[in-house]
Amino acid sequence: DAKTTQPNSMESNEEEPVHLPCNHSTISGTDYIHWYRQLPSQGPEYVIHGLTSNVNNRMASLAIAEDRKSSTLILHRATLRDAAVYYCILKKRAGSYQLTFGKGTKLSVIP
Amino acid sequence: EPEVTQTPSHQVTQMGQEVILRCVPISNHLYFYWYRQILGQKVEFLVSFYNNEISEKSEIFDDQFSVERPDGSNFTLKIRSTKLEDSAMYFCASSGAYGDTIYFGEGSWLTVV
Repeated sequence: DAKTTQPNSMESNEEEPVHLPCNHSTISGTDYIHWYRQLPSQGPEYVIHGLTSNVNNRMASLAIAEDRKSSTLILHRATLRDAAVYYCILKKRAGSYQLTFGKGTKLSVIP
Repeated sequence: EPEVTQTPSHQVTQMGQEVILRCVPISNHLYFYWYRQILGQKVEFLVSFYNNEISEKSEIFDDQFSVERPDGSNFTLKIRSTKLEDSAMYFCASSGAYGDTIYFGEGSWLTVV
């Protein structure tokens, strides 16, 4: 399976934008880029996913590099509730049911 | 918003006992999953279930574990002869179709003593 690399931790000030990077240099053409987050003592929560084009939803934006070897999750205005571990996960459209979680990036939001 | 619900939220069991963790997936979902997270470690895939059979399982999911959908709403994980190392948070999840977003429950924390 293709691997992702994320910083162990990041900090952001409340109400400022946050850019969470993810490298996936061995991504294949059939891999979707998924982002999940896990708030303290809770189950993982879907944030966003994309294939090639940038994506927006009510929670975040996903910017995908043209060569697809990296992506960035953008939280437009960080709130205290956004403090969580953010996981960048590659998932094939077909062939496997599982999500393979790495260590993710622990985001701290400073009031 | 529909959600995956899990019971119990916390269970303490003696080593060697059997445990059943229960889950109610989102009602129109067809794919069901169990994951676990040992304290301080990564979230790990255990098993996926579709059309009343296991569709994929990890190396962790050995003969000690089994899953069942006993009726139209519940999805259970049975752990036989529990060991200390089975202590973990167990997450149930579901999705509507293959490749769709996977929704997780809040987890069942299992402590084996």
